[in-house]
Amino acid sequence: QKEVEQNSGPLSVPEGAIASLNCTYSDRGSQSFFWYRQYSGKSPELIMSIYSNGDKEDGRFTAQLNKASQYVSLLIRDSQPSDSATYLCAVYRSQFYFGTGTSLTVIP
Amino acid sequence: GAVVSQHPSWVICKSGTSVKIECRSLDFQATTMFWYRQFPKQSLMLMATSNEGSKATYEQGVEKDKFLINHASLTLSTLTVTSAHPEDSSFYICSATPRQGGTDTQYFGPGTRLTVL
Repeated sequence: QKEVEQNSGPLSVPEGAIASLNCTYSDRGSQSFFWYRQYSGKSPELIMSIYSNGDKEDGRFTAQLNKASQYVSLLIRDSQPSDSATYLCAVYRSQFYFGTGTSLTVIP
Repeated sequence: GAVVSQHPSWVICKSGTSVKIECRSLDFQATTMFWYRQFPKQSLMLMATSNEGSKATYEQGVEKDKFLINHASLTLSTLTVTSAHPEDSSFYICSATPRQGGTDTQYFGPGTRLTVL
């Protein structure tokens, strides 16, 4: 079983819609959770970190964490074409574990 | 703040040669640096973790004699790919954890694209 699992997509949403990205993790001992955005040919950039159950909002982005169900999600409101990228979910438990990423395309 | 640089940003070399990649934390001291490899359409795979002044810890399946890591100072780690072969062609990314702050904080470098002919 993989440490972190994501639907690889691709996920396509129209401009202005809400994009929903999901991630599950296998180890309940995982402490910290992150969403990274990676454009093609570039290194990942941190979008959100979340540590406690519930929602955390930052601008158009909302991260949701449910430790009981072992999932983390990322909502992107008012999606823009510039949001088109691969989104990596990562969890930290002594080291970082990354999912394979979900490719998002926002269609103008 | 929290900038990590990598040099070179891309390199093309012949099979059998060695390539050194530098990772520097420009405005902070890094207790730990990580080296990742990413093949096309795949996620980041952790290769090794290095702490300043000590030997790197390699992930299972990563040959430590082939991928030499040196973390000589709190701001510099190097990865040397020895006797590179075409299958080593990949995107190599480093990240650094600041001395000040949580151990779950990491800042990524821009990556180095290695092509072995």
